[in-house]
Amino acid sequence: GQQVMQIPQYQHVQEGEDFTTYCNSSTTLSNIQWYKQRPGGHPVFLIQLVKSGEVKKQKRLTFQFGEAKKNSSLHITATQTTDVGTYFCAGPRFVSNTGKLIFGQGTTLQVKP
Amino acid sequence: NAGVMQNPRHLVRRRGQEARLRCSPMKGHSHVYWYRQLPEEGLKFMVYLQKENIIDESGMPKERFSAEFPKEGPSILRIQQVVRGDSAAYFCASSPQDRGYNEQFFGPGTRLTVL
Repeated sequence: GQQVMQIPQYQHVQEGEDFTTYCNSSTTLSNIQWYKQRPGGHPVFLIQLVKSGEVKKQKRLTFQFGEAKKNSSLHITATQTTDVGTYFCAGPRFVSNTGKLIFGQGTTLQVKP
Repeated sequence: NAGVMQNPRHLVRRRGQEARLRCSPMKGHSHVYWYRQLPEEGLKFMVYLQKENIIDESGMPKERFSAEFPKEGPSILRIQQVVRGDSAAYFCASSPQDRGYNEQFFGPGTRLTVL
């Protein structure tokens, strides 16, 4: 079945360093979404990318959707302690298009002050 | 506009008991999804429902688990005869459309602990 993989699983950085997480799907995606989950919290939507090669920025966060629409990345510039959490990418089931999301296993970011 | 509501937030059950988890979607949302998250893991899709219809239950275990979204009232995820392996966080999400092009809004989750 369709799989969405993320690497790395964990990342520890010093505050101020950059951070990147990568997401790869086994199938072409109609769109990809990114969510953030703080420790003990629930997933919160960050952004959605739809077009091939799309790049979107939110302050220090840069999101990219690959040309083949099978991979994506999230890059955080100059991390802050408020960036701590687990970042998930998710894509819909392309074939069934039922709206269910297939989540990657997430990248957990720890930031040392 | 209230967000997605789930209750209870924490639920403790002994093996063999039943667990009932409730989810009220955001106002105006008619699509509900249930996900399960084991500690230190990602979210696994369980079931997708619209009012009075189960659209996709491909992620639901075949036995002991059931879900409904009645015409009136919240969506219910029911786990019968719980076992320790059912201990997890169960998140409900809602969206206004089913095309997969819209973000899903997650509730705070129900943390189920089976003793």
